[in-house]
Amino acid sequence: GAVVSQHPSWVICKSGTSVKIECRSLDFQATTMFWYRQFPKQSLMLMATSNEGSKATYEQGVEKDKFLINHASLTLSTLTVTSAHPEDSSFYICSAWAGASSQYFGPGTRLTVL
Amino acid sequence: QKEVEQDPGPLSVPEGAIVSLNCTYSNSAFQYFMWYRQYSRKGPELLMYTYSSGNKEDGRFTAQVDKSSKYISLFIRDSQPSDSATYLCAMSVGSNDMRFGAGTRLTVKP
Repeated sequence: GAVVSQHPSWVICKSGTSVKIECRSLDFQATTMFWYRQFPKQSLMLMATSNEGSKATYEQGVEKDKFLINHASLTLSTLTVTSAHPEDSSFYICSAWAGASSQYFGPGTRLTVL
Repeated sequence: QKEVEQDPGPLSVPEGAIVSLNCTYSNSAFQYFMWYRQYSRKGPELLMYTYSSGNKEDGRFTAQVDKSSKYISLFIRDSQPSDSATYLCAMSVGSNDMRFGAGTRLTVKP
C-alpha cells in the first residue's frame, strides 16, 4: 500500500513557539493531502484540505492564521502551529489521497506544548 | 444527528471469536466506504475499501455495505490479540469529503 511519513513523530515545545510538522507521500504523488487532529480516545477531526500549488481549505472553526499549511510539492505538505499554547497539544495526523477515494495516513505527530 | 454513527465501545471478546463492528449513516450520497484500524498512538491504517453496496472479503476480514439501510459492517473471523485496536469506519461522496465514525475500541483477550 501507499506510504505516508510524518516528521517529527513527537515534539515538545514551550508556549509561544512555532512548530512545523512535515507530511510526505513516499511512493506516490498526492495532489491532495489532509490534516487531522485527534484528542485522546476521540475520532479524527478534519482541520484542512491541502492542495498542491494552491491555498488550503480550512474547516469551520479552524484558525488559518494559527495553523499554516503549505503544500509546496506533490509529495510534501507542512503544517505549522504558530504561537503554540497548551490547548494545542494533540495528535496531528496527515493523510494523502491516493486515488479511488482512498486515503493513506501518516503515523501521526504528538505535540506537547508546555 | 451525526452524519456517521459508530458505537465507541469498548468491545472485549475472547481470542477466536467473530467480531462484528457497525456504522450507520444519514447521507444517502455516500458511495465510498472504508474501514481503518488504528493502534494506540499510530496513524490509521486502511483495512477495507468498498464502493457502493455489497460484500468484500480479505482474509479474516469481511466488509458489508447495505445502502438501502445506510448500514455498514466489518466482520473479523478468528480474532487474534493483535487485532486489538480502534476501528474507524469512514465514508465519502467523492475524494475529499471523508467523514469518520467515532471509532470502536476492540480488545481481543488471549
